[in-house]
Amino acid sequence: DAGVIQSPRHEVTEMGQEVTLRCKPISGHDYLFWYRQTMMRGLELLIYFNNNVPIDDSGMPEDRFSAKMPNASFSTLKIQPSEPRDSAVYFCASSFDDAGSYEQYFGPGTRLTVT
Amino acid sequence: GESVGLHLPTLSVQEGDNSIINCAYSNSASDYFIWYKQESGKGPQFIIDIRSNMDKRQGQRVTVLLNKTVKHLSLQIAATQPGDSAVYFCAEGVNNTDKLIFGTGTRLQVFP
Repeated sequence: DAGVIQSPRHEVTEMGQEVTLRCKPISGHDYLFWYRQTMMRGLELLIYFNNNVPIDDSGMPEDRFSAKMPNASFSTLKIQPSEPRDSAVYFCASSFDDAGSYEQYFGPGTRLTVT
Repeated sequence: GESVGLHLPTLSVQEGDNSIINCAYSNSASDYFIWYKQESGKGPQFIIDIRSNMDKRQGQRVTVLLNKTVKHLSLQIAATQPGDSAVYFCAEGVNNTDKLIFGTGTRLQVFP
């Protein structure tokens, strides 16, 4: 299994530009999570999906952030317009519904730098 | 810009010694706990988990202890190796919510 796949691994963009981060969860997993990691706030949950449906987006910082999951094998996190304070590492994680475990499998992350 | 970052506690140990990493969790309703390891430039990786109906669980070279009375969790690593150097996070979850809340992390440094 290839694990959770994220692209791009690094993104450098200018303030005001649109940024799209992509994630492919592990096949068969029905939960997908988007996290942001910064030195200031640590690892924060932004939004998560179950069976492609957004369940909790209370962690999304503001309207500039949006996430979609059009099918079971693909999700995007979009920032429009981007700002320097959005600079962070963004992780996608997936899991499957198992009464015995809540383990989430993390991707390698996308390091976003907004100048 | 950012002026103050999270202060990550750091534990420094000598190779071969045992390590104990501690975590205080916040929600008394949490009934599931996971320890993750994050190496530089990588995503967090699952180490071991424990449910609230247990107070101890052992894996390969690792043991997790749970004290619900004081809401404390610890990760013990036996015979610590240089490859154990990483940031370790505890995460808590509440049954039927599917979310995990992560702690701020502890950096483990292993010296030869």
